[in-house]
Amino acid sequence: EPEVTQTPSHQVTQMGQEVILRCVPISNHLYFYWYRQILGQKVEFLVSFYNNEISEKSEIFDDQFSVERPDGSNFTLKIRSTKLEDSAMYFCASRGRGGGEKLFFGSGTQLSVL
Amino acid sequence: ILNVEQSPQSLHVQEGDSTNFTCSFPSSNFYALHWYRWETAKSPEALFVMTLNGDEKKKGRISATLNTKEGYSYLYIKGSQPEDSATYLCAFRGNQGGKLIFGQGTELSVKP
Repeated sequence: EPEVTQTPSHQVTQMGQEVILRCVPISNHLYFYWYRQILGQKVEFLVSFYNNEISEKSEIFDDQFSVERPDGSNFTLKIRSTKLEDSAMYFCASRGRGGGEKLFFGSGTQLSVL
Repeated sequence: ILNVEQSPQSLHVQEGDSTNFTCSFPSSNFYALHWYRWETAKSPEALFVMTLNGDEKKKGRISATLNTKEGYSYLYIKGSQPEDSATYLCAFRGNQGGKLIFGQGTELSVKP
């Protein structure tokens, strides 16, 4: 069965450093998402991406965050200058065309900012 | 602020027990309600996407119901098995935009 893959599975970085989290969504999917879960909290929406542009973003997704689909297969989340509070599990997800379709999630990148 | 609540937070049952959990969500501007099963160190996996009031869906021993007018959904597991141990997440999708708003999850532990 096709799956969403994320790399790396763990990332440790120093505060203020830039990180790029990478995702390969399912190949014929059209909608792409980033969610995150801070330890002990709910999974929260960051951003959605469709037709090569951001379609929706949360208030968390400020100027420090950006997304890109550089080559038609990868989907990346960049955090320019990481903060301690960015430490979380980051999930990439994708879905097909249908409005009611389920999301397919990757297994996540655990980001630790020291 | 849209809020999704799940109860209980955790549940410990014996193998063979049947169990159910609740998801409460906004009753207005409803588009869809998702249920996901999330095992430790794995990807959250979709169980059901429900869109119509009164929907009932079933997948093996797991089933779900939906009441959009009062804003709740139940997930039932019949005859729990140890491999059912996981966190079960529900997520609300409103009719503006495609983002999901998640509940905090119900952590199920099934002892042999």
